[in-house]
Amino acid sequence: AQSVAQPEDQVNVAEGNPLTVKCTYSVSGNPYLFWYVQYPNRGLQFLLKYITGDNLVKGSYGFEAEFNKSQTSFHLKKPSALVSDSALYFCAVRVTDSWGKLQFGAGTQVVVTP
Amino acid sequence: DAGITQSPRHKVTETGTPVTLRCHQTENHRYMYWYRQDPGHGLRLIHYSYGVKDTDKGEVSDGYSVSRSKTEDFLLTLESATSSQTSVYFCAISDGTSGSLNEQFFGPGTRLTVL
Repeated sequence: AQSVAQPEDQVNVAEGNPLTVKCTYSVSGNPYLFWYVQYPNRGLQFLLKYITGDNLVKGSYGFEAEFNKSQTSFHLKKPSALVSDSALYFCAVRVTDSWGKLQFGAGTQVVVTP
Repeated sequence: DAGITQSPRHKVTETGTPVTLRCHQTENHRYMYWYRQDPGHGLRLIHYSYGVKDTDKGEVSDGYSVSRSKTEDFLLTLESATSSQTSVYFCAISDGTSGSLNEQFFGPGTRLTVL
């Protein structure tokens, strides 16, 4: 079985400061990991994914994520947060041996204050 | 929203009535998914489809059925709606050209309230 945990319900950060949203996973076999963002009253939007290769993955809107196999983590980062980054962020892991099924974390609300 | 529409966008219904939600895509993607979103639970998969007439259950499929008679349409039916099915429902698609490693694209969602 696989699972993904987002330990923080909410992250508060001042505009211009670095932003980190945490995600840890548990999966048998190779982990395939994704980050999505949801703005109010919208569907989820894909940010980035880790399949294989470099541990630092770059994605949309200046976000990046660092894959750490020994810590089973896939934290989302942005060097300088914007007020417009305020949204709900989801980490997801592909269900082992499935055709594209994803297991989502509970989500982390990011609030960026001016 | 990547050529995905959901209808209706909002619906209020009464306990015990059947409800059908529609997802329509214009991307010709092979895989389609129905999720529900509830506070504290993230997104949970209800059913998914890997081709026309090919569907399978997700983790919260009880009380729901699906049908896919055309590539572009994926219907979710609540056979007899209950208050526990009050939720926001999202459809997603994926093209599967890289096996099962492609990202999913999500529709705008349907807010369903069961009274």
